[in-house]
Amino acid sequence: EDQVTQSPEALRLQEGESSSLNCSYTVSGLRGLFWYRQDPGKGPEFLFTLYSAGEEKEKERLKATLTKKESFLHITAPKPEDSATYLCAAQTNSGYALNFGKGTSLLVTP
Amino acid sequence: DTGVSQNPRHKITKRGQNVTFRCDPISEHNRLYWYRQTLGQGPEFLTYFQNEAQLEKSRLLSDRFSAERPKGSFSTLEIQRTEQGDSAMYLCASSHGLGGSYTFGSGTRLTVV
Repeated sequence: EDQVTQSPEALRLQEGESSSLNCSYTVSGLRGLFWYRQDPGKGPEFLFTLYSAGEEKEKERLKATLTKKESFLHITAPKPEDSATYLCAAQTNSGYALNFGKGTSLLVTP
Repeated sequence: DTGVSQNPRHKITKRGQNVTFRCDPISEHNRLYWYRQTLGQGPEFLTYFQNEAQLEKSRLLSDRFSAERPKGSFSTLEIQRTEQGDSAMYLCASSHGLGGSYTFGSGTRLTVV
């Protein structure tokens, strides 16, 4: 059965304190691995798509990487406005659905 | 076009009543998806449309749930005989091509009392 697991469930950082979020996946035939940001009461906002092991993508203070078993979202020198829930999702070659993890709730304090 | 629009934003209904939600996708997007999200969980896939054709439905989707996308434009999701377990955020998303870079709406929060 396809499975996406995110860790940690919650993370508290001080402003400027860099860290990484983990997304482990067990799926048959990965088409793509996606990262989304979700603010309270809103829908997820697309961040990155990664398609093959070794691929990296960056946007401002965020960098996403992909291996054959997991993906990392690295946050460099975070700011309070980076506080949100970060979701990863896997899409397989067998369908159109995204299989989401439960997310990591990130709080960045000044 | 400012994004994916969902209405209503909130809905409170009594158990056993029927409810219908509407989603207006980004106009040039031919693919439309419905997801459900409960507190502390990631979104859970419900169904997918390509134009007006419903191409995929989750095995978890009860027969009380039905979705339509007439003429390949807006979509509606109906839940019949609502149960307390149906309480959740219902999210709609749309995309232009194959892949997960969807644009999500802000969702409809359903509370069944």
